[in-house]
Amino acid sequence: AQTVTQSQPEMSVQEAETVTLSCTYDTSESNYYLFWYKQPPSRQMILVIRQEAYKQQNATENRFSVNFQKAAKSFSLKISDSQLGDTAMYFCALYEDSSYKLIFGSGTRLLVRP
Amino acid sequence: NAGVTQTPKFRILKIGQSMTLQCTQDMNHNYMYWYRQDPGMGLKLIYYSVGAGITDKGEVPNGYNVSRSTTEDFPLRLELAAPSQTSVYFCASGRGDQETQYFGPGTRLLVL
Repeated sequence: AQTVTQSQPEMSVQEAETVTLSCTYDTSESNYYLFWYKQPPSRQMILVIRQEAYKQQNATENRFSVNFQKAAKSFSLKISDSQLGDTAMYFCALYEDSSYKLIFGSGTRLLVRP
Repeated sequence: NAGVTQTPKFRILKIGQSMTLQCTQDMNHNYMYWYRQDPGMGLKLIYYSVGAGITDKGEVPNGYNVSRSTTEDFPLRLELAAPSQTSVYFCASGRGDQETQYFGPGTRLLVL
């Protein structure tokens, strides 16, 4: 069965510094996608970044980038130049083409300190 | 751009009461989903639909029912509310040929 594991319940970073959030996953599919969602205190789920498994190049969106290690089934999120508005819960999620479903990890709470 | 809308935003139910959580999307997406999020946890899939008239169970369907009579609407029904159903409920939609899902703002439900 597909699983997503986030082993860091909480993390803290100084404003303007860089932080990396970890995620590992398990799937038997060859075609899948990985996502990072941000959930601020408003509870809205906001898509941060996505990665197609068939692409070797790591996805980047402004200050957000991923380190996708397919063989190790690892998908970490790097936030550069952290801002106070980055304070939120971050969820890693796996989508398999065959199931149409998103499987979420348990989340990492990120606090950006001024 | 309304996107995915959910009503109500917050509701308190007594044990044994029933209610319907409403979800509407205006993006003409075929795929729609209901998730629940318990405190400090990730989202778990309750039910999903790949098109009007077609629904299927997710990870945690017990105690819930859904219907999909139109492309736009995907209501979630709680028949006999139980304290274990206290949670935040999210509706989401997607195109189906793309894996990205777009989420509504959530409904917070408290069962006492």
